[in-house]
Amino acid sequence: DADVTQTPRNRITKTGKRIMLECSQTKGHDRMYWYRQDPGLGLRLIYYSFDVKDINKGEISDGYSVSRQAQAKFSLSLESAIPNQTALYFCATQSGAESSYNEQFFGPGTRLTVL
Amino acid sequence: SQKIEQNSEALNIQEGKTATLTCNYTNYSPAYLQWYRQDPGRGPVFLLLIRENEKEKRKERLKVTFDTTLKQSLFHITASQPADSATYLCALLSNDYKLSFGAGTTVTVRA
Repeated sequence: DADVTQTPRNRITKTGKRIMLECSQTKGHDRMYWYRQDPGLGLRLIYYSFDVKDINKGEISDGYSVSRQAQAKFSLSLESAIPNQTALYFCATQSGAESSYNEQFFGPGTRLTVL
Repeated sequence: SQKIEQNSEALNIQEGKTATLTCNYTNYSPAYLQWYRQDPGRGPVFLLLIRENEKEKRKERLKVTFDTTLKQSLFHITASQPADSATYLCALLSNDYKLSFGAGTTVTVRA
């Protein structure tokens, strides 16, 4: 089984709808991240969490919210989706241990289309 | 403003040759620099990390250099193979453990 899973993998929705993207991990990592990827722009950080009680905004948090339900689960919500939120969304995890290599482990992505 | 720039053009090379990718950055003082590989429709996969006090790092056919004076990292794939075809992303790790990514360079290796 994959270490970092995302659901759904694909979603098409309409403007104004509320959408939730879910991320689960079995790596036991404390740190979790949400990114979006757009052609030519690279990955941009939306929100991140260093533990269950810690939530931080990234560079493009407007229009998004998150919930860290448990160490293993980190959900991203679009309260009222708009077309320019059409993108590929990735969840990632990272060990918080000082001795860690600091690599991030990415999920398979969710392709979201807002019509 | 902070900026990370990778080769804007896609790289097409013949099998067996060396691919060299560039990552330039401005207004960062990264503690580390990482390189990831991304295949179409998949999440990035970590390849290599190089620290600010390291000049070079190798892993199998991959070599990364890091010049903090030039604010540049070079990523080399030696003896390239068609299986190396992918998009390669550089990422800067700041002291607060957040990663900032470049847009990536797509490499195609012809058999």
